[in-house]
Amino acid sequence: QKEVEQDPGPLSVPEGAIVSLNCTYSNSAFQYFMWYRQYSRKGPELLMYTYSSGNKEDGRFTAQVDKSSKYISLFIRDSQPSDSATYLCAMIGSGSARQLTFGSGTQLTVLP
Amino acid sequence: NAGVTQTPKFQVLKTGQSMTLQCAQDMNHNSMYWYRQDPGMGLRLIYYSASEGTTDKGEVPNGYNVSRLNKREFSLRLESAAPSQTSVYFCASSERRQLITNTGELFFGEGSRLTVL
Repeated sequence: QKEVEQDPGPLSVPEGAIVSLNCTYSNSAFQYFMWYRQYSRKGPELLMYTYSSGNKEDGRFTAQVDKSSKYISLFIRDSQPSDSATYLCAMIGSGSARQLTFGSGTQLTVLP
Repeated sequence: NAGVTQTPKFQVLKTGQSMTLQCAQDMNHNSMYWYRQDPGMGLRLIYYSASEGTTDKGEVPNGYNVSRLNKREFSLRLESAAPSQTSVYFCASSERRQLITNTGELFFGEGSRLTVL
């Protein structure tokens, strides 16, 4: 079983929709949670970073962490065609502070 | 500002051939990483270098070797390529040795697409 599970999609939504992307994990040592965005044929780039449980908002993006359920989410409001990309969750545990563990990524397409 | 530069961007090899992927960063970062990305598998760490002069194995190191040539450059070598090494390879760097002190931010190159026949 993978430490981090992510629905690969693909997910296709109309412009303006609210998008929910999710990851589950099994390692309770994970303390720091990130979302990376990867455009086609490009390297990933950091989108959001959260520590422990709770919500963090940045513009149209909200990252949510529920450590009791080992579940993290990324919400995109008023989605735009420019949001079309693959979204990867990533995590670090305090015992592995030099390595990120990535989910497999969810491919999102926002249709104009 | 170039960031992280990888060469070559594309390569086709025959089974048993060797090659080296080059990576250079111009951000004065301490740590550098090599990942491979395969469909359904996400990004998997091959090797990393927390600082100049040190290298450590990641999740999938077999069949690879690395060299941290200096603070800027980190190369990945395939000594005898196999079809299972067909993948997209990403080099990344981070400012600090401990990722948790750095908001977990890695800066990635654009990838090197390798096909082994």
